[in-house]
Amino acid sequence: VMTQAPLSLSVTPGEPASISCRPSQSLLHSNGKNYLDWYLQKPGQSPQLLITLASNRASGVPDRFSGSGSGTDFTLKISSVEAEDVGVYYCMQPLHVPPYTFGQGTKLEIK
Amino acid sequence: DVQLVESGGGLVQPGGSLRLSCTASAFTFSDYYIHWVRRAPGKGLVWVSRVGTAVSTTSYADSVKGRFTSSRDNAKNTVYLQLNSLRMEDTAVYYCARDSMRGGGFDYWGQGALVTVSS
Repeated sequence: VMTQAPLSLSVTPGEPASISCRPSQSLLHSNGKNYLDWYLQKPGQSPQLLITLASNRASGVPDRFSGSGSGTDFTLKISSVEAEDVGVYYCMQPLHVPPYTFGQGTKLEIK
Repeated sequence: DVQLVESGGGLVQPGGSLRLSCTASAFTFSDYYIHWVRRAPGKGLVWVSRVGTAVSTTSYADSVKGRFTSSRDNAKNTVYLQLNSLRMEDTAVYYCARDSMRGGGFDYWGQGALVTVSS
């Protein structure tokens, strides 16, 4: 089970935002890597990959997005929210599979 | 550019069947796992199935096991999802997604195919 918090977030442009993801099992592999991904689904679009292996930004992802954490405690941070960041953010674990499990999603809105 | 294009969605009655296709381009298709992920109205993303590079590595979510079947045709760069014994709760947009195979997540997604199960 992947537990995200909060489930909704309303942020003023330019302000930071933070989303927590707590898996029920450790995602730390014996190779030292944490298998935790973050995705964003913008309104009317397909999901897009933001962060892999807990802290690696996917290609083309702005550096205002960062991921951190280990084991059973992870965080996605947006340093300065922009209007284009609205959508639903999901964490997902690709380690203890199948199944691949997503968090419930966190809806980000702009104030 | 890498592309995944789904087709085959539509309206079907409960108990009916449908087949979705996901056709890929601009990468060596046979080297990659392909996943199916769905999003029901008002709900979050749910993983449905993985099609491995070999047929034996196909896997399913418990909610669809025994009803859905994934397969691939590498000659056609296409993955299929056969949906049988459909229920109203299977209503969703179904996405196919490429697994980067490097612990790097699902790096490319299709545009989605809407499946509506209703009488």
